[in-house]
Amino acid sequence: SQTIHQWPATLVQPVGSPLSLECTVEGTSNPNLYWYRQAAGRGLQLLFYSVGIGQISSEVPQNLSASRPQDRQFILSSKKLLLSDSGFYLCAWSLTVMGQGYGYTFGSGTRLTVV
Amino acid sequence: AQKITQTQPGMFVQEKEAVTLDCTYDTSDQSYGLFWYKQPSSGEMIFLIYQGSYDEQNATEGRYSLNFQKARKSANLVISASQLGDSAMYFCAMREATSGSARQLTFGSGTQLTVLP
Repeated sequence: SQTIHQWPATLVQPVGSPLSLECTVEGTSNPNLYWYRQAAGRGLQLLFYSVGIGQISSEVPQNLSASRPQDRQFILSSKKLLLSDSGFYLCAWSLTVMGQGYGYTFGSGTRLTVV
Repeated sequence: AQKITQTQPGMFVQEKEAVTLDCTYDTSDQSYGLFWYKQPSSGEMIFLIYQGSYDEQNATEGRYSLNFQKARKSANLVISASQLGDSAMYFCAMREATSGSARQLTFGSGTQLTVLP
């Protein structure tokens, strides 16, 4: 069965420090991968998505970046964190086949607090 | 314009009663999918139910059912026999055929459901 792992679960980082969040998927090949951010009490904002190794699309301009070095690995990074980067970050995967009805499978999330 | 609208920021329901969470959507696609997710306080996103735009029957999954009214572009979630564990944030989401190969989901702003004992 497919599983998705995301870590760390919580992170407190000072302003200006770098960031690296990792997400890996098991049990499937060539998934679509996504990074979402959720501000406290708000909905989900799509940050990046990837349809293949090295293919990254950005939805929102910001000081974050994403990379997909392997088929089932998706990394969210920043060189210098801002206070506004605080939030709950969720990684998700989905199949690429059109017609698949079961949406995304999400990781357990990373709660990032920038201080 | 908002693609997914959830007009109820918060809802209360008595334990064992049914509750309807509203969701309206906006799309010009003929082929699309509608989803509901539950997010408890732990933060994980749990898939609940799916409705395809060509599905003639309303989707059901245990105590969850989706009241799909295509002409009105609404996809309300009905939870029957509410339980205390149903207290959570609920998100409606849509996946459009023309959203590209990535098939991104667009989420509503959510409804916080509180089940009262």
